[in-house]
Amino acid sequence: AQTVTQSQPEMSVQEAETVTLSCTYDTSENNYYLFWYKQPPSRQMILVIRQEAYKQQNATENRFSVNFQKAAKSFSLKISDSQLGDTAMYFCAFMKLRGSGGYQKVTFGTGTKLQVIP
Amino acid sequence: DTGVSQNPRHKITKRGQNVTFRCDPISEHNRLYWYRQTLGQGPEFLTYFQNEAQLEKSRLLSDRFSAERPKGSFSTLEIQRTEQGDSAMYLCASNHRDKQETQYFGPGTRLLVL
Repeated sequence: AQTVTQSQPEMSVQEAETVTLSCTYDTSENNYYLFWYKQPPSRQMILVIRQEAYKQQNATENRFSVNFQKAAKSFSLKISDSQLGDTAMYFCAFMKLRGSGGYQKVTFGTGTKLQVIP
Repeated sequence: DTGVSQNPRHKITKRGQNVTFRCDPISEHNRLYWYRQTLGQGPEFLTYFQNEAQLEKSRLLSDRFSAERPKGSFSTLEIQRTEQGDSAMYLCASNHRDKQETQYFGPGTRLLVL
């Protein structure tokens, strides 16, 4: 079974600063996806960024980037130029890569509550 | 594309009552997932449908829980004889077989059992 660990229950960052959220995972799989999802207060969960395990290059999406260390099973999220709208719960998640016909259960961490301070 | 919708958004019920939630996935998404999220935790997988077939159920899904997707479009999740421990956010997600790597989540139904 896969496990995802987020060791920072809460974090805060000043607006316009940079913050890094940590995530480690445990799996015996070689092919998988890793995700960071954002869940704003009382709003639905949206995908922030996705990383394929077979890609060595770290994924980036505008102000969001990841540091993927496959051997260390580490997957951190860096948010640059933090904005007030980044205030949310952030969940790290894992999904095994299956072939056609297989389902993709996503395993989530417990989340990090990020507060961006004006 | 209007996104995944869920109804109701909030439900308060008394212990022992039955409740039913509905999820409407993004059109043409043939895969649908139910998750449960308790306070301070990440979502936990409950069950999965491919079209109308329920292909996987978590051990979290006790016999008081039943999910259906009769026509391969919307899905319902029913909880019978609710207990206080059922209080949680119930999330629905969907995706298409040809785009397996991303699940699109609905806003959830928050259940409070008194």
